[in-house]
Amino acid sequence: GQQVMQIPQYQHVQEGEDFTTYCNSSTTLSNIQWYKQRPGGHPVFLIQLVKSGEVKKQKRLTFQFGEAKKNSSLHITATQTTDVGTYFCAGPGSGGSNYKLTFGKGTLLTVNP
Amino acid sequence: DSGVTQTPKHLITATGQRVTLRCSPRSGDLSVYWYQQSLDQGLQFLIQYYNGEERAKGNILERFSAQQFPDLHSELNLSSLELGDSALYFCASSSRLASYEQYFGPGTRLTVT
Repeated sequence: GQQVMQIPQYQHVQEGEDFTTYCNSSTTLSNIQWYKQRPGGHPVFLIQLVKSGEVKKQKRLTFQFGEAKKNSSLHITATQTTDVGTYFCAGPGSGGSNYKLTFGKGTLLTVNP
Repeated sequence: DSGVTQTPKHLITATGQRVTLRCSPRSGDLSVYWYQQSLDQGLQFLIQYYNGEERAKGNILERFSAQQFPDLHSELNLSSLELGDSALYFCASSSRLASYEQYFGPGTRLTVT
């Protein structure tokens, strides 16, 4: 079945440093979603990417969708303590199961103030 | 606050028992999704209902079942519980049948002893 892999599993940074997490799919994706889960919280939708090569920005966050639509990345510039949490990418299921989302294992970001 | 409510917040029960988790979607949302989150498996899609009908199934065990009622709230029933069923169970909702922008509830933490 479809697999969505994320690296790194953990990332610890000093406040002000940049952070990037990468997502790779075993199959071509029609779209990809990014979610953030704060410690003790629930996943919160951040963004959806649909087009090949698409780049979207939300303040200090930059999201990219690869040209082949099999990979994506999330880059945070100048991290803040409020960025702490686990960042998940998620792709739709393939074939008849395209209503479901397959989540990567996530990247846990910790920020040292 | 996502607008999705889940009860109870915490549940502690013994192996072999049966429990029911409840979810109320955001006002107007017709789709309800159930997810299981554990440390080793990550966030796993279980099942989706749309306007009362089952529309997608993921890695849901036969001991688990769900339904969505006419008022659109949903229940996830877990029976013959095993230690390995201990996890966070999230409900999410969306307005459309196939929407990857999903709004997650606060979750129910199930502990099986």
